[in-house]
Amino acid sequence: DQQVKQNSPSLSVQEGRISILNCDYTNSMFDYFLWYKKYPAEGPTFLISISSIKDKNEDGRFTVFLNKSAKHLSLHIVPSQPGDSAVYFCAASYTGNQFYFGTGTSLTVIP
Amino acid sequence: EAQVTQNPRYLITVTGKKLTVTCSQNMNHEYMSWYRQDPGLGLRQIYYSMNVEVTDKGDVPEGYKVSRKEKRNFPLILESPSPNQTSLYFCASSLRTQVHEQFFGPGTRLTVL
Repeated sequence: DQQVKQNSPSLSVQEGRISILNCDYTNSMFDYFLWYKKYPAEGPTFLISISSIKDKNEDGRFTVFLNKSAKHLSLHIVPSQPGDSAVYFCAASYTGNQFYFGTGTSLTVIP
Repeated sequence: EAQVTQNPRYLITVTGKKLTVTCSQNMNHEYMSWYRQDPGLGLRQIYYSMNVEVTDKGDVPEGYKVSRKEKRNFPLILESPSPNQTSLYFCASSLRTQVHEQFFGPGTRLTVL
C-alpha cells in the first residue's frame, strides 16, 4: 500500500510561471519530508527537505509547504525554467533511515 | 569527483542465474541504500545500511541480499532472479547525519527473462 502518493503523473507549465507539485501521505508518524528531482538516464538528486516541526522551507526558487493536518505537502517552483523539466519525487521518513517515495510527477516547462 | 558508481549499467539475464550488482561510493558515507524504480510504483527501498556490518530491510527486501563488509561498497545480490525483479535499480549514499540528502548512482537496468 502506497504511503506516499503523487496523484498527478504529469504537469505542464509556461516558463516564468509557478509550478506546484503535490504530494499526500497516509502515515502520521512521518517526521521528515523530501523532494528529489530526476532527469532521464540519471539518478535522482536531492532538492529540498522539511521537518515536521516546520510548515515551510525555502531554498531559492524552491519552496516546500507542509500541512500536517491534511497530510499534504507541496513543492512550489517560482519562476519555472525549462531546465526544471524533470520527474519530481516526494519522499517521507519516520525512522530517519527508511524512506518511502511517491510515484513521481513529470514536470514540463514550456519555453 | 564525488560519486556513486554502479556496475553493470545494463544487464539481461535468465531466471535463476545468480547475479550481483555492485555499488561503490568515494565520499566516505556511512549510510547506503538500494532502491528499485518501477512504472506506477515510484521508488521503493530494498535494503539500507547505516554502517559497516549493519544492514536492515527496506520496504521490498524479498528476493534480495546485501552485504556491507567495507564502508565504500554495498553490493546487491539476487540469488535466484525472477522476471518480477526486472526493474531499474539505484544505489544511494549519504552521511549518517544527513540521510535525507542521499546521492544516487546512475542506475542499473536489469531484465530477467
